[in-house]
Amino acid sequence: DVKVTQSSRYLVKRTGEKVFLECVQDMDHENMFWYRQDPGLGLRLIYFSYDVKMKEKGDIPEGYSVSREKKERFSLILESASTNQTSMYLCASSLRGRHTDTQYFGPGTRLTVL
Amino acid sequence: AQRVTQPEKLLSVFKGAPVELKCNYSYSGSPELFWYVQYSRQRLQLLLRHISRESIKGFTADLNKGETSFHLKKPFAQEEDSAMYYCAFQTGANNLFFGTGTRLTVIP
Repeated sequence: DVKVTQSSRYLVKRTGEKVFLECVQDMDHENMFWYRQDPGLGLRLIYFSYDVKMKEKGDIPEGYSVSREKKERFSLILESASTNQTSMYLCASSLRGRHTDTQYFGPGTRLTVL
Repeated sequence: AQRVTQPEKLLSVFKGAPVELKCNYSYSGSPELFWYVQYSRQRLQLLLRHISRESIKGFTADLNKGETSFHLKKPFAQEEDSAMYYCAFQTGANNLFFGTGTRLTVIP
């Protein structure tokens, strides 16, 4: 059973702080993704990674960066948190292959920036 | 631009009534289409994908290329179907494009 874990369920930070959100998957998946989930806007892709040390911008990368030093771990970094980054952040992973594959999601981190 | 549209943010039906959650996509090719579901206090998970042509928890979804739709249907709604439903599609790359979601409430 695929397990995707996120380091925190709830996080409260202040404007301007540097924030790290960690995601770990235990199924040797190549692909990992970071989304933010907002009411009325659905899921929006921030960044994704196909392999270690590789990253690609999603639809809303501004204000975020990512790091993938190990296959199982994908970190989302907010260099200087702002109130408009208050959101639910979801991590997901999937196998890479010719055919599409299911994305497995973590439980989410609800980030509040004051 | 590639886009997935779910026109209803909220949908309420009575238990036992049929339910249809609408999804339309905008893409000139042949995408892979999915429905994901998030039950209360649970993580987002795959419900079904069009390529499998399967029925999961009584739900089915048919790809209609002419109407570019992938509506999710169930003939008799149950209370446990209350959840947030997202339509999503995938093109050649590995990332998904999600719709804005429909919150389904089944009234007992």
